[in-house]
Amino acid sequence: KAGVTQTPRYLIKTRGQQVTLSCSPISGHRSVSWYQQTPGQGLQFLFEYFSETQRNKGNFPGRFSGRQFSNSRSEMNVSTLELGDSALYLCASSLVWHAKNIQYFGAGTRLSVL
Amino acid sequence: AQTVTQSQPEMSVQEAETVTLSCTYDTSESNYYLFWYKQPPSRQMILVIRQEAYKQQNATENRFSVNFQKAAKSFSLKISDSQLGDTAMYFCAFSTGTASKLTFGTGTRLQVTL
Repeated sequence: KAGVTQTPRYLIKTRGQQVTLSCSPISGHRSVSWYQQTPGQGLQFLFEYFSETQRNKGNFPGRFSGRQFSNSRSEMNVSTLELGDSALYLCASSLVWHAKNIQYFGAGTRLSVL
Repeated sequence: AQTVTQSQPEMSVQEAETVTLSCTYDTSESNYYLFWYKQPPSRQMILVIRQEAYKQQNATENRFSVNFQKAAKSFSLKISDSQLGDTAMYFCAFSTGTASKLTFGTGTRLQVTL
């Protein structure tokens, strides 16, 4: 069974641009979560989706948004990029939306904002 | 606030030796799940072990075991017979309630040497 797939693996953008990251969960998984990883702030939760609905959101500005499609694939979008948005963005999928479920992570998308 | 503290930023252990990574957490929830994830230089986050808070028995997965002290809110990871492939960042995390959201610690960088 294929793992969590994130595309692209690397992105370079300039300040003010917007970016869209994609995540395909493990087949059969219906819950997708997103995390931002930086050296300074560590791993921070962005949001999670289940059945196309955002179930939980972290403490990030409105420039960060996401969505989930009917096939459980998810995208996150960052508008008006800032230098501080440079990070590794990790996507994780789990069977359903519940704390007991193991989250399986993708390899991440490395975003560099110049 | 729900927090996870990993007080050891870096550790080193010789191959075949045993090492213990510390983790403490704080939550007011009664139903929660604890995890140790490993992130090697390839950056893919991999689940090492999971503990359900309502279970008193410590979880074990091959060379990996935990010491779960619920009253002390402590969840340490013991790696026996360390191998070079264990070199990675190790993150302690927990999830609570009905959400899949993980709250992570700052990580411990483990180096296994010959």
